This record gives sequence, C-alpha cells and structure tokens, in this order.
Amino acid sequence: ESVLTQSPATLSLSPGEGATLSCRASQSVGRSLMWYQHKPGQAPRLLIYDASIRATGIPARFSGSGSGTDFSLTISSLEPEDFAVYYCQQRDNFIFGPGTKVDIK
Amino acid sequence: EVQLVQSGAEVEKPGESLRISCRVSGYNFRNYWIAWVRQVPGKGLEWMAIIYPDDSDDRYSPSFRGHVSISVDKSIDTAYLQWDSLQASDTGIYFCARVYGDIAASTIYFDYWGQGTQVTVST
Repeated sequence: ESVLTQSPATLSLSPGEGATLSCRASQSVGRSLMWYQHKPGQAPRLLIYDASIRATGIPARFSGSGSGTDFSLTISSLEPEDFAVYYCQQRDNFIFGPGTKVDIK
Repeated sequence: EVQLVQSGAEVEKPGESLRISCRVSGYNFRNYWIAWVRQVPGKGLEWMAIIYPDDSDDRYSPSFRGHVSISVDKSIDTAYLQWDSLQASDTGIYFCARVYGDIAASTIYFDYWGQGTQVTVST
C-alpha cells in the first residue's frame, strides 16, 4: 500500500512570503493526487486535484505540480487566511499524508 | 447549492452504540459516492469508508473495517456512520464528504464536505 509523506511538518512564514509544500508517495500515483486546506473548526477544502488543477473558486496563488511520486503545492504569496494545515491525498485507498502546518512567523 | 449537514456532537460511554448522519442537498444524492473521514485530536485526516447511495456499494479502509458500518437512506438523502460498540479511541471529529468521480477512475476527489461531528467517548 502506497504511503504519503509530507515535508516540512511545519512551515513558519510571514504574510506575503511564498510557500512550497512537498508530498512524496512511496509508489507512483500518476497524477491522481489532491491537496486540501484545513483550518480548525472548519471542513477541509479542496484546493487541487489531478496534481495541478485548481478546484472551483480557488485563487490563482495556489498551484500544484508533480507526477509519479513527487508533488508540490505552491502558495505564491501568503494571505492571512492561508495559514492552515495542508494535506495531500492519493486516490488509492484515499490515503492522506500527515499534513504540513503553515503558521505565522 | 451543494450542502452536507451533519448531526450534532455526541458524548457516549465505551461499549455504547452510536449512529451519526450526513444529510445532503443541492445535488442528486444517488449519483455520487459519499466518504467518511476521521480526524483524531491533534492528528491528521484518515479515510474510513465510502458508499455509493444508489446501490449501497461500499468500501472500507482496513483500519476501520469491522468496527464501523456505513449506510444510506435514499428517501431522505442521508448517509450514516455507525458504531455498535464505541471505544475511547473513537474520540474524534468525523466528516462526510461528497466524492466527485468514480472509484475506478483516475480523477476523483472530495469536493464538498460536511461541517464535522465531534464524537467523544469517555467514562
């Protein structure tokens, strides 16, 4: 069974800075990789599917890339509302990665 | 507008049974898989199970198979997650989510989510 690892576990940044989050699969998942944003007390929010396609309503500052086993989520310039935990997910058994917390420096 | 509205918080004792619900609106309930996802306090998201309302075809994560069961009531557009015997380790927040795509397809994602149901199991 493929496992997802995410790095770093925590990213401390200031608003306006860029962020790059990594997700690595232990086996190739092709491009079947999703990214979600999750804030405490809220439902998770789909950001990216098929590795690089932004979901409806997601701002252009969010972009995804990668295929096979290595993927990235990039936030070009952090807005105050972007501080949250970000999870990647693969389609096989819908496994989630452990998450990357983006917090305010 | 697509909405998934979950039942309220529950506090139960170990060994008790529990059923929580997820009522959907704004789309054809029968034609989209519904997934259940758990968040344990201080930890990440775990996929638990998925069900296709039209024929109740279902799949379970090995981590949850045999401990929970999922079902639907098509007459009221509602999905359920049920425990026959709760354990303290079941404490967490449970989310339902609409699944876009077929489980056999490469493109599949959880596009709409419920607000979550807090389940606390304690003596």
